[in-house]
Amino acid sequence: ETGVTQSPTHLIKTRGQQVTLRCSSQSGHNTVSWYQQALGQGPQFIFQYYREEENGRGNFPPRFSGLQFPNYSSELNVNALELDDSALYLCASNKGGETNEKLFFGSGTQLSVL
Amino acid sequence: GNSVTQMEGPVTLSEEAFLTINCTYTATGYPSLFWYVQYPGEGLQLLLKATKADDKGSNKGFEATYRKETTSFHLEKGSVQVSDSAVYFCALKLRGATNKLIFGTGTLLAVQP
Repeated sequence: ETGVTQSPTHLIKTRGQQVTLRCSSQSGHNTVSWYQQALGQGPQFIFQYYREEENGRGNFPPRFSGLQFPNYSSELNVNALELDDSALYLCASNKGGETNEKLFFGSGTQLSVL
Repeated sequence: GNSVTQMEGPVTLSEEAFLTINCTYTATGYPSLFWYVQYPGEGLQLLLKATKADDKGSNKGFEATYRKETTSFHLEKGSVQVSDSAVYFCALKLRGATNKLIFGTGTLLAVQP
C-alpha cells in the first residue's frame, strides 16, 4: 500500500506567477485535504475535497483553488503568487466521514516565491 | 474563535529525561484532540488522539489526557530517546464532516545523548 505522495518536492516561482501542486492519495482514500505550513508555524487548513467536490474551506482567498480527480488524486492551484505564499504545502488523505479521523500526510511541497 | 496554544520551544532534554509539552485549547462544543509529530524532511504523523473528556491517548510511550475542566491536552513521556527529536504539534478538530484540523505552532524537541 503506497502512502500519500506529493510532487514536486521543491518549487521556485516569482511573484505574480501561477503554480500547480499535485497529490496522490493513499490507496482506498477518497478524501483529500490541503494545508499551508509557513516557516515556524503550524499547518493551516486550505480546503478539502470529497468525491471530486470541495466540501470545506479555510480562510484562504479564491486564488487558491483545487481539483480532485476520479482516482481521488488532487491538485492545488495558486494564482497571482505573493511573497507570503512561500510555505510548505501539505496534502493529507483519509477515507472520509467523521468516524475516521486519522489523516495521512504527505511530505509536502516546499514553495518559494521570489 | 477556535485555537490551540502550545509551549514554545525548543525543548532540549538529555536522553531518559521526563518530557512534558503543554497544550491548551479554545473551542466551541466538544472537539477531538490530537498530537502529531513531524520528523525532519517528513510529513506529519498522528502520534495519539482523544475524542472525549477524560480519554487518555497513548502511543510509543507518549501519553496525553483530555482535560475538559482545564481545556488542556499535555503531552508526556517518561523517558525520551534521541530518536524522539522532532517537532510536535497539538491540534483540535471540531465535530463535523471536514478534516479541518486547527494546529498549534509546534514545539521543537531536541534530545541529546
